[in-house]
Amino acid sequence: DVKVTQSSRYLVKRTGEKVFLECVQDMDHENMFWYRQDPGLGLRLIYFSYDVKMKEKGDIPEGYSVSREKKERFSLILESASTNQTSMYLCASSTDPLLTSVIGNEQFFGPGTRLTVL
Amino acid sequence: KQEVTQIPAALSVPEGENLVLNCSFTDSAIYNLQWFRQDPGKGLTSLLLIQSSQREQTSGRLNASLDKSSGRSTLYIAASQPGDSATYLCAVKGRSGGSNYKLTFGKGTLLTVNP
Repeated sequence: DVKVTQSSRYLVKRTGEKVFLECVQDMDHENMFWYRQDPGLGLRLIYFSYDVKMKEKGDIPEGYSVSREKKERFSLILESASTNQTSMYLCASSTDPLLTSVIGNEQFFGPGTRLTVL
Repeated sequence: KQEVTQIPAALSVPEGENLVLNCSFTDSAIYNLQWFRQDPGKGLTSLLLIQSSQREQTSGRLNASLDKSSGRSTLYIAASQPGDSATYLCAVKGRSGGSNYKLTFGKGTLLTVNP
């Protein structure tokens, strides 16, 4: 079974703090993703990575950065947390569509981190 | 830009009913479509993945269909149970432009199955 784990289920931080959210997957997946989920807005892609040290902006990258130093780990960084970054953060991973001929390529999600910025 | 719409936004049914959840998307250039389940405060669990060349996929009491040309998918749940209560999300993986890696999600259908 694919397993995607996130470092915290709940996190409370203060405005201006630097925040690290960690995600680890154990299936040797090439692609990893960070989303945030807000009521009425659904899931929105923040950043994704298709290889170690590679990253691409998603739909809402402002205020965030990411780091992928090892294949299994993808970190989301809030350089200076703000109250509008209070949200549920979801990490996901998948295989590379260009390498697998097929079927597969599902995205597998972690349990989520509910971040509150006060 | 791909847009995914799910109707209805919420659905309440008595236990034992068969039901259909709908998903539509605007750009038919997709690799696949995935249905997820999300319990309150939790992550997403993948239910079914339909490749663009497929018409349907089945898993237990769940059956998902895909009509790529019309931009529609349905998730059929047979003999619903209270444990099926959750939010169901559909997502498409686009193959046009720079969207090859990205899923575009609908906002979900909140399903409540009453005992």
